[in-house]
Amino acid sequence: QVTLRESGPALVKPTQTLTLTCTFSGFSLTTSQMCVSWIRQPPGKALEWLARLDWDDDTHYSTSLRTRLTISKGTSKNQVVLTMTNMDPMDTATYYCARMPLGTYAHDSWGQGTLVTVSP
Amino acid sequence: SALTQPASVSGSPGQSITISCTGTSTDVGGYNLVSWYQQHPGRAPKLIIFEITKRPSGVSDRFSGSKSGNTASLTISGLQADDEADYFCFSYTEIGTSFVFGTGTKVSVL
Repeated sequence: QVTLRESGPALVKPTQTLTLTCTFSGFSLTTSQMCVSWIRQPPGKALEWLARLDWDDDTHYSTSLRTRLTISKGTSKNQVVLTMTNMDPMDTATYYCARMPLGTYAHDSWGQGTLVTVSP
Repeated sequence: SALTQPASVSGSPGQSITISCTGTSTDVGGYNLVSWYQQHPGRAPKLIIFEITKRPSGVSDRFSGSKSGNTASLTISGLQADDEADYFCFSYTEIGTSFVFGTGTKVSVL
């Protein structure tokens, strides 16, 4: 059974750096040609794709947020970490991580999401 | 920029509805890599169509996908109350070798 779970701070201040961790089970990021994406959704608004980490450590980023994002493997082999610098109230959103099997270009399993609020 | 979807679509139980997703030749039109997601309020999105027409195991065959030019479409046939949700399309884009979601469509069952 594939599961993903996001964790991180619920509240950050403007200009701070956000660090989120996706902890997953049921698949391997290193041996099964899988990818993990981060996606966010402001309250009442559309989904926005942020970044993807591939099984071979290749990375892909949203063109509009590229300069603020870093996606990487975590300290455990079943973790993916997203950092976003210079947080702004407009970055308030539910942040999801999701699995993307290489080649399908579709997210077949999602975490439950974690709400991050940016406020002084 | 985001793919364009109608803000809302509605239908009566049993009817069929179609949601469009319009992009450009650099995303929807250039690749057969469009997927669709259903999202109920307060829940994570769920994959219902990938690679334009394919359904994951367990997804009802009432959901079907197609593409013509720069526009992909999702059709829901035999509309049911539980189909009332938000629907998002998603595509690979060659701009920045990146990905993009649609603006989202709220489906209402009358």
